[in-house]
Amino acid sequence: DIRMTQSPASLSASLGETVNIECLASEDIYSDLAWYQQKPGKSPQLLIYNANSLQNGVPSRFSGSGSGTQYSLKINSLQSEDVATYFCQQYNNYPTFGGGTKLELK
Amino acid sequence: QVTLKESGPGILQPSHTLSLTCSFSGFSLSTYGMGVSWIRQPSGKGLEWLASIWWNGNTYNNPSLKSRLTVSKDTSNNQAFLKVTSVDTADTATYYCAHTLSWDVMDAWGQGASVTVSS
Repeated sequence: DIRMTQSPASLSASLGETVNIECLASEDIYSDLAWYQQKPGKSPQLLIYNANSLQNGVPSRFSGSGSGTQYSLKINSLQSEDVATYFCQQYNNYPTFGGGTKLELK
Repeated sequence: QVTLKESGPGILQPSHTLSLTCSFSGFSLSTYGMGVSWIRQPSGKGLEWLASIWWNGNTYNNPSLKSRLTVSKDTSNNQAFLKVTSVDTADTATYYCAHTLSWDVMDAWGQGASVTVSS
């Protein structure tokens, strides 16, 4: 199976700050990568697919990039409603998820 | 608008079979490219994909659980099902079903069904 390693596991940032979350695949996944946001007590919501395509309705402050084995999620101008845990997921082989990054406000 | 809702037993005993139902609206599992996936999440932990079923009846399961999982669908009633045999405490989790696009992207999730395995 393809292992997905996310970093950091947690981070604290201030309102208006830019945040980056990284995801490293154990092998080339050819941009078959999605990002999900899970707010406390809620189910995950799709943010990004194909590494950099924004899902309909997702604010443009969210963006994805990367290729090969290295991918990142960027949140510009952090808002209070962005407090959540973020997961990456590869779908080049049977789906596997990263361990998650818990984002809190400083 | 796509919506999904999971239902299950809540609690069951070790060695029993877990049966979950996903009732959905806003799409048909007979339409080309449509799929439903099952994912679980132990409390405070990460996500684990379990299985998927597609519009054409094809299924595939997580190899680590393959022999314990069965997925099926009732297209006419807009439902999908997951069975997990021989459960133990490690199967305690919230179980989600999700509308899945043909490249395994899950673009709509249910609210989740909490399952506790305990004697």
